[in-house]
Amino acid sequence: AQTVTQSQPEMSVQEAETVTLSCTYDTSESDYYLFWYKQPPSRQMILVIRQEAYKQQNATENRFSVNFQKAAKSFSLKISDSQLGDAAMYFCAFNGGSQGNLIFGKGTKLSVKP
Amino acid sequence: SQTIHQWPATLVQPVGSPLSLECTVEGTSNPNLYWYRQAAGRGLQLLFYSVGIGQISSEVPQNLSASRPQDRQFILSSKKLLLSDSGFYLCALERTINYGYTFGSGTRLTVV
Repeated sequence: AQTVTQSQPEMSVQEAETVTLSCTYDTSESDYYLFWYKQPPSRQMILVIRQEAYKQQNATENRFSVNFQKAAKSFSLKISDSQLGDAAMYFCAFNGGSQGNLIFGKGTKLSVKP
Repeated sequence: SQTIHQWPATLVQPVGSPLSLECTVEGTSNPNLYWYRQAAGRGLQLLFYSVGIGQISSEVPQNLSASRPQDRQFILSSKKLLLSDSGFYLCALERTINYGYTFGSGTRLTVV
């Protein structure tokens, strides 16, 4: 069974600095998709970034980028130039190519200090 | 564009009472729909998913049930709530296969 592990329950970053959130996963599939979701205090889940496993190039969305290491089954999220609005829970999620269900990690709570 | 509506936003119910949470979608037809529960300090747990009218798959045996009476409507129900049913419930729409989900705004359920 696929699993997603986020080993950092909480992280903190100074405004304008860079922070990296860790995520590892376990799967026997070769074709799959990985996601990072943001859940601010409003609790609305927002898709931050998506990575296709067959693409070696790391996905980037403005200040958000990932470091995808397929062999190590690692998918970390880097937030550059952190802003106060980045404070939220961040969830890593896995979607196997053969199934539609998203499997989520337990989340990392990110605080941003002014 | 695809939108998803979920209500109510907050609900306080006594133990043993029934439950009905509704989720409706717009801007798409025949979507895959999901119900997740998020307990305090934990990740999202998949409860049910549906690939079409009347088609429900349950991931976790429990006190809850789901129904899909119409293509764009997904309902989460319980005949008798338990204290352990408290949590934050999220409905999700699969935008396109393998492109992630769009989530509703969620329902915070407190069973007292």
